Amino acid sequence: EPEVTQTPSHQVTQMGQEVILRCVPISNHLYFYWYRQILGQKVEFLVSFYNNEISEKSEIFDDQFSVERPDGSNFTLKIRSTKLEDSAMYFCASGGQLGDGYTFGSGTRLTVV
Amino acid sequence: DAKTTQPNSMESNEEEPVHLPCNHSTISGTDYIHWYRQLPSQGPEYVIHGLTSNVNNRMASLAIAEDRKSSTLILHRATLRDAAVYYCILTDSWGKLQFGAGTQVVVTP
Repeated sequence: EPEVTQTPSHQVTQMGQEVILRCVPISNHLYFYWYRQILGQKVEFLVSFYNNEISEKSEIFDDQFSVERPDGSNFTLKIRSTKLEDSAMYFCASGGQLGDGYTFGSGTRLTVV
Repeated sequence: DAKTTQPNSMESNEEEPVHLPCNHSTISGTDYIHWYRQLPSQGPEYVIHGLTSNVNNRMASLAIAEDRKSSTLILHRATLRDAAVYYCILTDSWGKLQFGAGTQVVVTP
């Protein structure tokens, strides 16, 4: 069964450093998403991406965040200057058509120290 | 965004059916009803989705009320592996998922 692959599985970074979280969505999918889950809390929507541009973003997705699909297969989330409160699990998801089920990756645990 | 209401938790015995209710009284005509689950320390996993008609797949069945204001996810024979948080979510026009607290399903042997 096709999978969404996320790397790394765990990233530790110092406050103020930049991090890039990587995702390889399912190859024929067109819709891409990033979500995050702070320990013990709900899964939160960050951003959706379609046709090489952001289609929607949440209030969490401020100027410190950016997304990119650099080469037609990878989908990345960059946090420019990490804060302690950015520590969370970050999940990438992809979907083939609007309204269809989405496939999530197993996540990247980001720890900011 | 249309909201859903689910019980905080439900318990079931292994090999028995589980019926998970979800209320979504403010659903709009174009909202799809999605169910996902999240096992401990894992990402959300798609279970099933529907628009108006009942749906079946290898994981579960989804029964949608005629007025679409509620739905029920049915796990036909619960296994220990089905212990997870189950989320009932309505998708909007861009398909983003707004997760709530979900229902914690506990399966006892």
